[in-house]
Amino acid sequence: EAGVTQFPSHSVIEKGQTVTLRCDPISGHDNLYWYRRVMGKEIKFLLHFVKESKQDESGMPNNRFLAERTGGTYSTLKVQPAELEDSGVYFCASRRGLAYEQYFGPGTRLTVT
Amino acid sequence: KNEVEQSPQNLTAQEGEFITINCSYSVGISALHWLQQHPGGGIVSLFMLSSGKKKHGRLIATINIQEKHSSLHITASHPRDSAVYICAVGRYGNKLVFGAGTILRVKS
Repeated sequence: EAGVTQFPSHSVIEKGQTVTLRCDPISGHDNLYWYRRVMGKEIKFLLHFVKESKQDESGMPNNRFLAERTGGTYSTLKVQPAELEDSGVYFCASRRGLAYEQYFGPGTRLTVT
Repeated sequence: KNEVEQSPQNLTAQEGEFITINCSYSVGISALHWLQQHPGGGIVSLFMLSSGKKKHGRLIATINIQEKHSSLHITASHPRDSAVYICAVGRYGNKLVFGAGTILRVKS
């Protein structure tokens, strides 16, 4: 069984540009989470999808961030326009049904210059 | 104050030493997770606990629900154990709240 994958592994963009991060969860996992770690801080929750629906987006920092999960499979997280403080590592995790265990992707390191 | 507190923040040990990392939390949880992240690497789940104790190889994790405290122990530590160890608790919807992590360095 393939694990959670994320693309790209690293992205360097200029302030004001747009970046789209992608997460492919483990097949059959209807729960998908986005988290991020910004420099020097603990990892923070961004949002939670159940299939294609946003269950909880309380962690999204502002309206420059847009997450989608069309069809309930892979998810994208778009940052538009990117700001310097958006730099960090963005992790995706997936979970099956009522199970507690979450499986993490390798993360995308975003650098905004 | 963070809902999840880890200690110590940094830990240097000699190969072979017994290591303990502590985690305290202040909220109701569905489960507690211990995660590992090697430099430049992704996050790997080591344990998920809702009660008692779990053991996997040289790693042992315990949780005391009443005291809202968990410990991760590494026996006979090895340089390859050097990593960041992160405690995270599952909240509503099982979204995770993370501790700041413990940076462990095991010297040979």
